[in-house]
Amino acid sequence: DAGITQSPRHKVTETGTPVTLRCHQTENHRYMYWYRQDPGHGLRLIHYSYGVKDTDKGEVSDGYSVSRSKTEDFLLTLESATSSQTSVYFCAISGRGDWDGYTFGSGTRLTVV
Amino acid sequence: DQQVKQNSPSLSVQEGRISILNCDYTNSMFDYFLWYKKYPAEGPTFLISISSIKDKNEDGRFTVFLNKSAKHLSLHIVPSQPGDSAVYFCAASAGSSSSNTGKLIFGQGTTLQVKP
Repeated sequence: DAGITQSPRHKVTETGTPVTLRCHQTENHRYMYWYRQDPGHGLRLIHYSYGVKDTDKGEVSDGYSVSRSKTEDFLLTLESATSSQTSVYFCAISGRGDWDGYTFGSGTRLTVV
Repeated sequence: DQQVKQNSPSLSVQEGRISILNCDYTNSMFDYFLWYKKYPAEGPTFLISISSIKDKNEDGRFTVFLNKSAKHLSLHIVPSQPGDSAVYFCAASAGSSSSNTGKLIFGQGTTLQVKP
């Protein structure tokens, strides 16, 4: 979707290194979310934001931090990457705060070796 | 614990026939349910939703049924088409509109293959 982009699309990193994934939106939406997708687990919420500098934890937040210094960018940081964080990461945005309005990015495939 | 469960990892149907994807949930506070569709290398896209005040919602070839007493919902696709081959995620939420932050709990997904 042209209104939301994730970068990078693919990344391979070593255990113990910090990694930052970026979600950028051009829709001026208030709500942004980070999910991870893993086989057998579906999509699990990591962190979400309901406004600039307003963030909260999801169900699998350990080992992750986020920042939202401006409306259009929501950053997900792995402070010290571990192999268990190998996954596909999806960002989603919503303008209405309701679920029909979720738009997902194309995902970032992260491999921690 | 998995609050939203899709117990069938995969489903294969013939083109033109009905596809039925199932989803169970455990949290009685869930009041809104959705289905998302995902193609490889793409993000999920919204397909259809249903509020807990309804037991059925229809949109073209797609119908979602909700059985609150059984905490079960299903997605029916009739007729199935090869282009429907994708991963389908069931999702649920327990937010009220006044405190809505839009958090969704997803199931594990079911891979649907529609054979020509």
